[in-house]
Amino acid sequence: SQELEQSPQSLIVQEGKNLTINCTSSKTLYGLYWYKQKYGEGLIFLMMLQKGGEEKSHEKITAKLDEKKQQSSLHITASQPSHAGIYLCGADDPGTYKYIFGTGTRLKVLA
Amino acid sequence: EAGVAQSPRYKIIEKRQSVAFWCNPISGHATLYWYQQILGQGPKLLIQFQNNGVVDDSQLPKDRFSAERLKGVDSTLKIQPAKLEDSAVYLCASSLDFRLGAFFGQGTRLTVV
Repeated sequence: SQELEQSPQSLIVQEGKNLTINCTSSKTLYGLYWYKQKYGEGLIFLMMLQKGGEEKSHEKITAKLDEKKQQSSLHITASQPSHAGIYLCGADDPGTYKYIFGTGTRLKVLA
Repeated sequence: EAGVAQSPRYKIIEKRQSVAFWCNPISGHATLYWYQQILGQGPKLLIQFQNNGVVDDSQLPKDRFSAERLKGVDSTLKIQPAKLEDSAVYLCASSLDFRLGAFFGQGTRLTVV
């Protein structure tokens, strides 16, 4: 079955710094989703990528799906304390029709 | 567009007690999911409904967990009796189709003491 590995597992950055989170799939991705979660709360949908090379932005967050469609990166520019939380990538596993999640990246932004 | 609604937001119960969670998905969404997220881990799928039929409940501990989706809209997830290890956030999600990404509710944080 398909697996999603995220890196790094945790990240602490100073406010104003840029950062990148990666999500690597064991199989070709047919749809890759990024979510943000605040501790103990539900997941907030950030964006969806489907085409190789596709790049989308939402406020200061940009996500890209590589051409081979096995890796996605999430980049935050000029981070703020409000960006803190857990970032999860999610994908559809076409083999099982299950929706799977990455291992998660915990982000802390120091003011 | 209204999002996925869940209630209650928080629940504290003693072990061996029963508890029920409620989810109202986005209107028109045929697929509904219940996930269990234990602190520090990614969400684990408990059950997936397509309309009012169960598609996948392979990871649902059926000796104590049950879920239903009457009329293919709202859903309830029940735990009876609860164990300490059931302490987690229970997330409900819905999607227009199982091939599309899901939208999540705010979750119900369950603490079993």
